[in-house]
Amino acid sequence: DQQVKQNSPSLSVQEGRISILNCDYTNSMFDYFLWYKKYPAEGPTFLISISSIKDKNEDGRFTVFLNKSAKHLSLHIVPSQPGDSAVYFCAATISNFGNEKLTFGTGTRLTIIP
Amino acid sequence: GAVVSQHPSRVICKSGTSVKIECRSLDFQATTMFWYRQFPKQSLMLMATSNEGSKATYEQGVEKDKFLINHASLTLSTLTVTSAHPEDSSFYICSAQPTNYGYTFGSGTRLTVV
Repeated sequence: DQQVKQNSPSLSVQEGRISILNCDYTNSMFDYFLWYKKYPAEGPTFLISISSIKDKNEDGRFTVFLNKSAKHLSLHIVPSQPGDSAVYFCAATISNFGNEKLTFGTGTRLTIIP
Repeated sequence: GAVVSQHPSRVICKSGTSVKIECRSLDFQATTMFWYRQFPKQSLMLMATSNEGSKATYEQGVEKDKFLINHASLTLSTLTVTSAHPEDSSFYICSAQPTNYGYTFGSGTRLTVV
């Protein structure tokens, strides 16, 4: 049972344009969401997160949008840069103020075309 | 920032032997650490939650006798893959929570069993 889904395994975007990565979840108990970037043979690197009490969080070129009614979140990267080429995972958790387990999506491979 | 150091980064072992992977929190105490496994083109799957001074909590389907976890101190958790077989070849990643909502990942260990 995949509780967090990223239905696009890959995405190619022209440099300078906007990259939009999508994520859907099924567990309505999830109340905190995170995006990670991962290069091959490395651990994931945290990008940005959002609490369920918000619908948008912005950090530089990265913006995460949350639509709770649709159980959908998206990561926008603008402008896209070649260094953004990586696999992006969304993750969700249930706030427990300690020892929360992350449930990851399957990842989307983003390729930025120069 | 909080750093989790994972060693080795890469290991090749013979079938039937055991391999130990270490995960250390360098500048914070981690009462809980998480061990993940990533198969090619698949998501990061949580294997177990490692608790300092007590038994690890394993996810469904993970063989606790095969994947031994020891969390003997607040800064060190180890995962030992016992009697490794080629199907255990994978990318293993640990993580810890230095803050309530901050997850830091190790750099991962590529295990190849030949």
